[in-house]
Amino acid sequence: QSALTQPASVSGSPGQSITISCTGTSSNVGRYNYVSWYQQHPGKAPKLIIYDVTNRPSGVSNRFSGSKSGNTASLNISGLQADDEATYHCGSYAFASNLVFGGGTKLTVL
Amino acid sequence: EVQLAESGGGSVQPGGSLRLSCAASGFTFSTYWMYWVRQVPGKGLVWVSRMDTDGFITDYADSVKGRFTISRDNTKNTLYLDMNNLRAEDTAVYFCARDREMRVSKWYFDLWGRGTLVTVSS
Repeated sequence: QSALTQPASVSGSPGQSITISCTGTSSNVGRYNYVSWYQQHPGKAPKLIIYDVTNRPSGVSNRFSGSKSGNTASLNISGLQADDEATYHCGSYAFASNLVFGGGTKLTVL
Repeated sequence: EVQLAESGGGSVQPGGSLRLSCAASGFTFSTYWMYWVRQVPGKGLVWVSRMDTDGFITDYADSVKGRFTISRDNTKNTLYLDMNNLRAEDTAVYFCARDREMRVSKWYFDLWGRGTLVTVSS
């Protein structure tokens, strides 16, 4: 049982936009603006795509954006592309030097 | 090339021990906090442990506290994870990861290794 709750799967067609939610509690997502998102292709290591809720590392497409409201963070991907098909993990700093993740969301590009 | 490379995984019986290593190259290892993260194949990521740049500050997830020990050798550019009293639920791919920023712990990982599989089974 992961500390953060994500939908198991989402799907969208090329060019469309999708949103993945990440629900935590007042001890993690709701308390800190230290939310991150990682993209992971099968058999590969995760790649950081969002940090500090909304920031993108250099080189990450601006089609990826993050937001937060209360205890729920969200990742939006616009203009879906075939290569976006991957599993997306959210993470949040939690009280007392702890980091928690969601269970991952598998994105299928139809 | 900037990279991390884990090694030391394998199969072990419950109650056994393993030492994982993570060799860093292409960057100044001693200026980054380092982390271990594990993942049961097909499941989510789980943070395991972290260590500061000098090896003085360590933190552990509750699930491994008292059984796992993180350490580093900055002269060898290597991070370690000593795992004792292993349980079936420790079975996972173990990744080492680097913090995104130098000298501080931001809990964001911009460089990962490819992972090493640990299987705990009788």
